[in-house]
Amino acid sequence: AQSVTQLGSHVSVSEGALVLLRCNYSSSVPPYLFWYVQYPNQGLQLLLKYTSAATLVKGINGFEAEFKKSETSFHLTKPSAHMSDAAEYFCAVKHTGNQFYFGTGTSLTVIP
Amino acid sequence: KAGVTQTPRYLIKTRGQQVTLSCSPISGHRSVSWYQQTPGQGLQFLFEYFSETQRNKGNFPGRFSGRQFSNSRSEMNVSTLELGDSALYLCASSTGGTGKGNTEAFFGQGTRLTVV
Repeated sequence: AQSVTQLGSHVSVSEGALVLLRCNYSSSVPPYLFWYVQYPNQGLQLLLKYTSAATLVKGINGFEAEFKKSETSFHLTKPSAHMSDAAEYFCAVKHTGNQFYFGTGTSLTVIP
Repeated sequence: KAGVTQTPRYLIKTRGQQVTLSCSPISGHRSVSWYQQTPGQGLQFLFEYFSETQRNKGNFPGRFSGRQFSNSRSEMNVSTLELGDSALYLCASSTGGTGKGNTEAFFGQGTRLTVV
């Protein structure tokens, strides 16, 4: 079975500070991992996905994530937070097929 | 290229009624999945349709059903509504190829259903 765990349901950072959102996965086979962002009253927007081509994945809006098999992690980072980054972030895993298993989400607050 | 369109955006229904939600996927996408999002349970998979056939199903009661048309548009129906069905219902569109797990899904803005 596959699942993801997001550590920290709420994260607050100052504008310009490093953003680190944690995600650990559980999968019996190499997983396909994704990060999505959700703004209030909106759907989910893909930030980035792990495709096994490279362990460091770059996404949109300056976000990136590093796949670490030894730690079963896929943490999301951004060097410098912007006010517009305030949103809910979801880590997700998918094996074959099209069923996503989402984490419980991390709400990011950016303090001016 | 148009995105995933869900209609309506907001709905208010009374307990016991039924409701139908609609989703138009991205042109060329043959897979449509539905998710329920609530504060308590998070994002939960309802079902997936591919080429008019239900290919995968989550753990929801039979009151939740869906279908897909030949143009890939999908509808989701909930009968005998309960207060706990109040949620944001999200539709996801993808190319739907099997065996290619790294294919992302594109989500609509959702339908906010409130049951009173």
